[in-house]
Amino acid sequence: AQKITQTQPGMFVQEKEAVTLDCTYDTSDQSYGLFWYKQPSSGEMIFLIYQGSYDEQNATEGRYSLNFQKARKSANLVISASQLGDSAMYFCAMREPNTGNQFYFGTGTSLTVIP
Amino acid sequence: GAVVSQHPSRVICKSGTSVKIECRSLDFQATTMFWYRQFPKQSLMLMATSNEGSKATYEQGVEKDKFLINHASLTLSTLTVTSAHPEDSSFYICSARTQGYSNQPQHFGDGTRLSIL
Repeated sequence: AQKITQTQPGMFVQEKEAVTLDCTYDTSDQSYGLFWYKQPSSGEMIFLIYQGSYDEQNATEGRYSLNFQKARKSANLVISASQLGDSAMYFCAMREPNTGNQFYFGTGTSLTVIP
Repeated sequence: GAVVSQHPSRVICKSGTSVKIECRSLDFQATTMFWYRQFPKQSLMLMATSNEGSKATYEQGVEKDKFLINHASLTLSTLTVTSAHPEDSSFYICSARTQGYSNQPQHFGDGTRLSIL
């Protein structure tokens, strides 16, 4: 079974609008971490936001927020006020301490911001 | 914040050449580094986990003799693609994480685009 599932291969959003990128995960552990990374066309992986399994509040970092629904095992990324520079691949990832802290990545979502 | 440097950023070489890629943690010690391979428009595929002072742990299907990993210090891991062939052309990216609890993200290098002619 896939550890991380991203069901949106590609998304489009109008500049200045908000967009939600979906991510569901599969784990039987109680303790885990969820991460979102941005990968522009240049290739580098940019860490955006983190959510811990025990965190009761949704994580926020500037224009990024994470809609964490633990019972549904979902960790959707919300980008508010989209900018042209937000066009990139976005990867959801999970870290499980019980598996040596290995990161599991989803297949990614390609976001295009339309001017 | 934590920075990981990866070098070179791009390599173009002939088939049969061995290519070494370096991954350095610049402002923190990394006992564990990770090497990924990424094909166009696909996700990162973990190749191996590099452990300082011990042998790397390879993922299933990754040839140990093809992809040599050395982690000789707390700040440097190298990946050597031996006798590279066109099918080895890909984007290789390393990462490292600081010590601490699971809220520590992996910090990535900028990647190496390897093209074998």
